[in-house]
Amino acid sequence: DAGVIQSPRHEVTEMGQEVTLRCKPISGHDYLFWYRQTMMRGLELLIYFNNNVPIDDSGMPEDRFSAKMPNASFSTLKIQPSEPRDSAVYFCASSLGGEAFFGQGTRLTVV
Amino acid sequence: QKEVEQNSGPLSVPEGAIASLNCTYSDRGSQSFFWYRQYSGKSPELIMFIYSNGDKEDGRFTAQLNKASQYVSLLIRDSQPSDSATYLCAVPQRKAGTALIFGKGTTLSVSS
Repeated sequence: DAGVIQSPRHEVTEMGQEVTLRCKPISGHDYLFWYRQTMMRGLELLIYFNNNVPIDDSGMPEDRFSAKMPNASFSTLKIQPSEPRDSAVYFCASSLGGEAFFGQGTRLTVV
Repeated sequence: QKEVEQNSGPLSVPEGAIASLNCTYSDRGSQSFFWYRQYSGKSPELIMFIYSNGDKEDGRFTAQLNKASQYVSLLIRDSQPSDSATYLCAVPQRKAGTALIFGKGTTLSVSS
């Protein structure tokens, strides 16, 4: 398996623009997680899905953030409108309920 | 109180020494504990997990769990420069038990 695949790897956007991050989990994994990593706050859990259903979105910082998982092989994290404080590395991870396997991350810069 | 706490470091050790990384957690009900390694600019990768009190060894790595004191540690024997990275401790989320909650990590620097 190719592992968790995220796109794009890097994203630079202007404040106010919509940003969509994409994730393909490992085939067969039934949990999908979105994390955000910054120097100040470390690796924070934003939201996670089980069998495509959102289970806990309490980590989503604001209504500007939304996530979907339309099928078992694809998920998106959308920020609309984006702000400079959203600049971070966003990781997607998947698991079977134990060890989480991480994608390579998307480095988002909002200017 | 944060669910997982780690000393951010940096922890500096000479090559060949033992590096000791510590982590405390707040939920007494936590049953499993994970150590991840993250190289600069890369994603976290699992090194070890431990469920039972005591020690678990895997090559140069030993995880130690003390549930009564609510801490878990990672020992790296014969430290190598390639071990220089940030080490993240993680426990399952208190309310649901599936999603991992991570500490901020301890940065280890091994000098040759």
